[in-house]
Amino acid sequence: AQKVTQAQTEISVVEKEDVTLDCVYETRDTTYYLFWYKQPPSGELVFLIRRNSFDEQNEISGRYSWNFQKSTSSFNFTITASQVVDSAVYFCALSGGDSNYQLIWGAGTKLIIKP
Amino acid sequence: EAQVTQNPRYLITVTGKKLTVTCSQNMNHEYMSWYRQDPGLGLRQIYYSMNVEVTDKGDVPEGYKVSRKEKRNFPLILESPSPNQTSLYFCASTVSRGPYEQYFGPGTRLTVT
Repeated sequence: AQKVTQAQTEISVVEKEDVTLDCVYETRDTTYYLFWYKQPPSGELVFLIRRNSFDEQNEISGRYSWNFQKSTSSFNFTITASQVVDSAVYFCALSGGDSNYQLIWGAGTKLIIKP
Repeated sequence: EAQVTQNPRYLITVTGKKLTVTCSQNMNHEYMSWYRQDPGLGLRQIYYSMNVEVTDKGDVPEGYKVSRKEKRNFPLILESPSPNQTSLYFCASTVSRGPYEQYFGPGTRLTVT
């Protein structure tokens, strides 16, 4: 069975601090994909990134970076120099090739950035 | 503009009164799905459709129906809503079944009293 665990229910930091959101996954699929989505207070879901299981290179996009480690089954998300606009719920999700690519979601981490 | 639309955005209803939440996409996507979002549970898939007239159950299909008569539309039907179906619902579409970015509608907040 596939599973995504986001153990941090809520994180609160002061603006400009760096913050890391953890994501741990379980799958037996040999080919799989990992995603991060953002849900700001307005409620919509915004795609942030997709990584496949064969590409363990870290990804950086502006203040956002992602660390994918197959050895620990983790796909962590770091925001550098956080801003109030980063306040949102962040979801990690898994899609496996042997599971017909059904998207399995973590419970989400609520990130609060205080000014 | 590429988008997924849902209506209504907010709905308060009573137990047993049939309702339909509409979903439409303008991207010619083959794959569409419905999710419900509940606190602490993330998103759970209710139903999905791989193409016109092809639908299948997701993880939590009980109490819901769907149809896919046209490629762009994928309505969610609650024949006899119950309070445990109070939730935030999202419709999503993607180009086809696979590990692709999903495009989400704005969400429908449903309250069943």
